[in-house]
Amino acid sequence: DQQVKQNSPSLSVQEGRISILNCDYTNSMFDYFLWYKKYPAEGPTFLISISSIKDKNEDGRFTVFLNKSAKHLSLHIVPSQPGDSAVYFCAASPMASGSRLTFGEGTQLTVNP
Amino acid sequence: DVKVTQSSRYLVKRTGEKVFLECVQDMDHENMFWYRQDPGLGLRLIYFSYDVKMKEKGDIPEGYSVSREKKERFSLILESASTNQTSMYLCASSFSDGLTWGYTFGSGTRLTVV
Repeated sequence: DQQVKQNSPSLSVQEGRISILNCDYTNSMFDYFLWYKKYPAEGPTFLISISSIKDKNEDGRFTVFLNKSAKHLSLHIVPSQPGDSAVYFCAASPMASGSRLTFGEGTQLTVNP
Repeated sequence: DVKVTQSSRYLVKRTGEKVFLECVQDMDHENMFWYRQDPGLGLRLIYFSYDVKMKEKGDIPEGYSVSREKKERFSLILESASTNQTSMYLCASSFSDGLTWGYTFGSGTRLTVV
């Protein structure tokens, strides 16, 4: 039972354009969401998070949008850069700090120069 | 910055061997986690620990055990390695700054069982 799903295994965009990565979840107990970025042969690194009391959180070029009624979140990267090419994982949890995270399958983003 | 260190980047082991994967964090975090990453399956939780000598099963604990004798060290043990345990293993500890929380991951151990 995949509680967090990233339906696009891959995404390719041109440098300077917007990248939009999508994530859906099924567990209504989830109310805290994170995005991680992973380069090959390295561990994932934390990018940005959002709690369910908000519908948007921004950090530089990265913005996460949350639609609780649709159980959907998205990560926008504007403008996309070649160094953004990596696998992106979304993750979800009940809010309690330190709870276990449930991850999606990941989306490979390729930004072409 | 929190550092999570995994002792080996690459390991090759034989089927049936007992394998130890070590993870150390330097920020006195209570919560530590072991995941494995496989293409198309994302990160799946094997075991986690909320304190010394405490352990909880994750989603795929079969064939694995863990040890947490000291707060900073969380070890994953493959009792008898099998080829389907060939994977990237990731250790994490949980951080919080009062506003956000998440995991800091180690660099991972790529284990190949032959």
